[in-house]
Amino acid sequence: GAGVSQSPSNKVTEKGKDVELRCDPISGHTALYWYRQSLGQGLEFLIYFQGNSAPDKSGLPSDRFSAERTGGSVSTLTIQRTQQEDSAVYLCASSQGNPNEQFFGPGTRLTVL
Amino acid sequence: AQSVAQPEDQVNVAEGNPLTVKCTYSVSGNPYLFWYVQYPNRGLQFLLKYITGDNLVKGSYGFEAEFNKSQTSFHLKKPSALVSDSALYFCASPMYSGGGADGLTFGKGTHLIIQP
Repeated sequence: GAGVSQSPSNKVTEKGKDVELRCDPISGHTALYWYRQSLGQGLEFLIYFQGNSAPDKSGLPSDRFSAERTGGSVSTLTIQRTQQEDSAVYLCASSQGNPNEQFFGPGTRLTVL
Repeated sequence: AQSVAQPEDQVNVAEGNPLTVKCTYSVSGNPYLFWYVQYPNRGLQFLLKYITGDNLVKGSYGFEAEFNKSQTSFHLKKPSALVSDSALYFCASPMYSGGGADGLTFGKGTHLIIQP
């Protein structure tokens, strides 16, 4: 079956602009996660959705970051007023329950100029 | 707090030799432990997991990992390395909050380089 998909694969934006990143999890997976991968910070957990439940937002780096998951499936990660330090690869993953092995998408490479 | 550590930034192994990539953990309760691999410009791929049961866990691509409770380690191993095994390897464990399991905490990663 299809794996986790993310769009866009690459995004170049100017400082101060808003960006929206999309994740389509594996069909039937109840859990969805967002991570950020950068050279300086390694792999960093951002936020986790279990079904339609409200997520714990404490892992988000700042209040410029928000995420939602519609209908327990597709998720979007929004970064407002982007800064250069937001440049990273944003990875989405899904799993059948938690904890369980997570399946990762190819990521969105965000570059903030 | 749950954490995992990978003490080596890079491991170099000759093709055909056995390989070991080290991981130690600090978790409360029964640990869930994972290994993931990342090839250049690709997402992470799941290799194997330990939840409970046998201390030797077998996974994808001929990899296995040994859970050692007394040494709090979960080292990744392969009897005979291939050049195609060259990649970035991550050890991981779930974080927990009041609501239960959360996302994964990852080690810093180990570059595995297999020399022909």
